[in-house]
Amino acid sequence: DSGVTQTPKHLITATGQRVTLRCSPRSGDLSVYWYQQSLDQGLQFLIQYYNGEERAKGNILERFSAQQFPDLHSELNLSSLELGDSALYFCASSVGSYNEQFFGPGTRLTVL
Amino acid sequence: KNEVEQSPQNLTAQEGEFITINCSYSVGISALHWLQQHPGGGIVSLFMLSSGKKKHGRLIATINIQEKHSSLHITASHPRDSAVYICAVSPSGSARQLTFGSGTQLTVLP
Repeated sequence: DSGVTQTPKHLITATGQRVTLRCSPRSGDLSVYWYQQSLDQGLQFLIQYYNGEERAKGNILERFSAQQFPDLHSELNLSSLELGDSALYFCASSVGSYNEQFFGPGTRLTVL
Repeated sequence: KNEVEQSPQNLTAQEGEFITINCSYSVGISALHWLQQHPGGGIVSLFMLSSGKKKHGRLIATINIQEKHSSLHITASHPRDSAVYICAVSPSGSARQLTFGSGTQLTVLP
């Protein structure tokens, strides 16, 4: 158990819908990262927050957004969902921006 | 060409064998990570290294910065080591942003 929690574990929804994925980092970690793992693209970095502020952005679509709240939990919002958004979404946390990252169990999103 | 290349893509070994997984990268890095992904999907960080060698139990990771190459070794392999092993790098100047290899599927047979 990494100490990072993600909810929900599984999510099935329809095209065009909007969903919110939630992540709680390990106690004491200030950085939260979001990753997408799809069959055709592998693991890709989406976005990073540090102590509530966005610090780095990767291959995140405009339809996706994220935020980190004062209690350091983070949410990833996915809107206007398409079939291709079906993937595993992982959250990871670390103490700072240059430390080992600890991964949550992931949320499996299926868009029908 | 991917910035991070792993070999082999698939590896089958007999229990007890010594295993090596290789990772080559083409960019300057601040650190290299080895991750393990279990069949259920969960990802575990095995090592984060920027030079030399690290050992944890039966796992050893080495990195050669000049050659832009890293290896993950498993000694006395066991069926429970069966998983996907993923190499990832933190490029210099964007250390926060991991770039991942495509992974090596390891199967250890009893």
